[in-house]
Amino acid sequence: SAVISQKPSRDICQRGTSLTIQCQVDSQVTMMFWYRQQPGQSLTLIATANQGSEATYESGFVIDKFPISRPNLTFSTLTVSNMSPEDSSIYLCSVTLFGEQFFGPGTRLTVL
Amino acid sequence: GQQLNQSPQSMFIQEGEDVSMNCTSSSIFNTWLWYKQEPGEGPVLLIALYKAGELTSNGRLTAQFGITRKDSFLNISASIPSDVGIYFCAGPRYGGATNKLIFGTGTLLAVQP
Repeated sequence: SAVISQKPSRDICQRGTSLTIQCQVDSQVTMMFWYRQQPGQSLTLIATANQGSEATYESGFVIDKFPISRPNLTFSTLTVSNMSPEDSSIYLCSVTLFGEQFFGPGTRLTVL
Repeated sequence: GQQLNQSPQSMFIQEGEDVSMNCTSSSIFNTWLWYKQEPGEGPVLLIALYKAGELTSNGRLTAQFGITRKDSFLNISASIPSDVGIYFCAGPRYGGATNKLIFGTGTLLAVQP
């Protein structure tokens, strides 16, 4: 299995600021994925991050709001920019390994 | 667009009871996945189904891939307190690879000792 860590585990931020979330995996993986889980809701895919290329965003998500970096095969960052209270969610990274999706523990973000 | 609806939304049961939950879609899926999410954790894969009509078990958990390919069921037998969590069904978005997933609305399970 894959061991995925995320930093920070949680944060409380002021509106208008930005937060960068880090995701580290213990294996080299081609694709990493970022999901959002709004309070009491299901998971929604934000984007796919491939090493060496620009991230691919799903409908309703844009690069200016959620810029992503993928500098190597074990690491990715997601930035939540110009935050508003509606961005309060759990943000999870995910990887595919041996045909299975593994998820990180999530970053719980609260925007005041 | 694609939607996965789960029922029931929540269940509050006594330890030892059997649990049944389902997931339905308006579109066909070629893979069904069942995940469990515990508080403060990401989802963990419980069972994967790849063929219509398939019935697969993982310990006390049994899941079935519906014949119509538009639904799936998860059963938990003899529930224990550690079964508490949110159970999600999931499938590949728009029939694509199984690494881009759409998740169901979730079923919250609470088990009273």
